[in-house]
Amino acid sequence: EIVLTQSPGTLSLSPGQRATLSCRASQTISSTFLAWYQQKPGQAPRLLIDSASLRATGIPDRFSGGGSGTDFTLSISRLEPEDFAVYYCQQYGSSPWTFGQGTMVEV
Amino acid sequence: EMQLVESGGGLVQPGGSLRLSCTASGFPFSNYLMSWVRQAPGKGLEWVAYINADGSTKSYVDSVKGRFTISRDDAKNSVFLQMDSLRGDDTAVYFCVRQAGVHWGQGTLVAVSS
Repeated sequence: EIVLTQSPGTLSLSPGQRATLSCRASQTISSTFLAWYQQKPGQAPRLLIDSASLRATGIPDRFSGGGSGTDFTLSISRLEPEDFAVYYCQQYGSSPWTFGQGTMVEV
Repeated sequence: EMQLVESGGGLVQPGGSLRLSCTASGFPFSNYLMSWVRQAPGKGLEWVAYINADGSTKSYVDSVKGRFTISRDDAKNSVFLQMDSLRGDDTAVYFCVRQAGVHWGQGTLVAVSS
């Protein structure tokens, strides 16, 4: 099983600041099968980034993804009030599919 | 508009069974792999199972193997999760998901308790 470790667990920032979230895999994964999600309280997750760097439909360009191999990042260039949420990475190239434990971005 | 609507959740005793249903609309359902993901109260996301587009391949997380069965009925644009021998640690909101995570339903709560 591929374990995904996200860091930090909590990121305390202010609107307008830049956020950088990390997702480290226990073994090499194909970038094609690395996704990032945003989840707000009481809501279903929403796909932000697929294939490590491709923004999903309707996602603002302040969200960007990168990385390869075992190290991946999600960046939010300038935090908007609606961006404060929990973010998860996921790998779906190898069964069982796995998620990281999440990073909370808080004010 | 693409939509996934789950149903079938509820309160069940340990050892009991539930069948979750998910009805899709707004996209060609039969073309897509479908999956189930769950989230225990206050916890993170856990992938549970997937079924490929033609139903020939199914995969499960180890903790549900032999207890849960995923299936689909393309004529009804639906995917199902039969859950048997339920345990307390199966308590979660269960999300129906198109592919690995392109689109999510709103979830249905399964509570396993005596």
